[in-house]
Amino acid sequence: QVQLQESGPGLVKPSETLSLTCTVSGYSITSGYQWGWIRQPPGKGLEWIGSLHHSGSTSYNPSLKSRVTISVDTSKNQFSLKLTSVTAADTAVYYCARFVDYWGQGTLVTVSS
Amino acid sequence: EIVLTQSPGTLSLSPGERATLSCRASQSVNSRYLAWYQQKPGQAPRLLIYGASSRATGIPDRFSGSGSGTDFTLTISRLEPEDFAVYYCQQYGSSPWTFGQGTKVEIK
Repeated sequence: QVQLQESGPGLVKPSETLSLTCTVSGYSITSGYQWGWIRQPPGKGLEWIGSLHHSGSTSYNPSLKSRVTISVDTSKNQFSLKLTSVTAADTAVYYCARFVDYWGQGTLVTVSS
Repeated sequence: EIVLTQSPGTLSLSPGERATLSCRASQSVNSRYLAWYQQKPGQAPRLLIYGASSRATGIPDRFSGSGSGTDFTLTISRLEPEDFAVYYCQQYGSSPWTFGQGTKVEIK
């Protein structure tokens, strides 16, 4: 059974960096699929942030590309999201996923001073 | 960027009725990369359909997907009480991957 679990701070100050980690169990990230992040502002729809191919290549949403980095730690079977220079508009539930079939439960990140 | 427009925004139906949800793309989508999700309050989206018409593991056969090119449809043949939720389409064949804005299926 594939499981994904997001972890990281629930509160980030404006202009700082949001950092989240997704821990994967039941499947090796390097074995296949694309992995990545999606977010959902409160009461709104879903936005794709970016993806990590099992080969290591990445692709990002152009609307966030200048601020986003997705990286992988194969030794821990984890991948991570960094989003720099956050504002209140980055407040959302952040999901990690194995595209397209398995998602984490999501973690709310609030940007506020 | 491919824009996905879902209609209607809200669908008010009774249990046992048929639900037909539409997802229209601003340009052609490779059917292999069109998915439908169900989301309930406080939960992560759940994959229902991938490749436009293939049901995900464990999804009841009352859910079916169809379509090609720019027009896709999710049909729920007979609504069960647990089917009242928000449904999203997504294309993942062209970067950036995009989602529709969602259709809420509510109890009439």
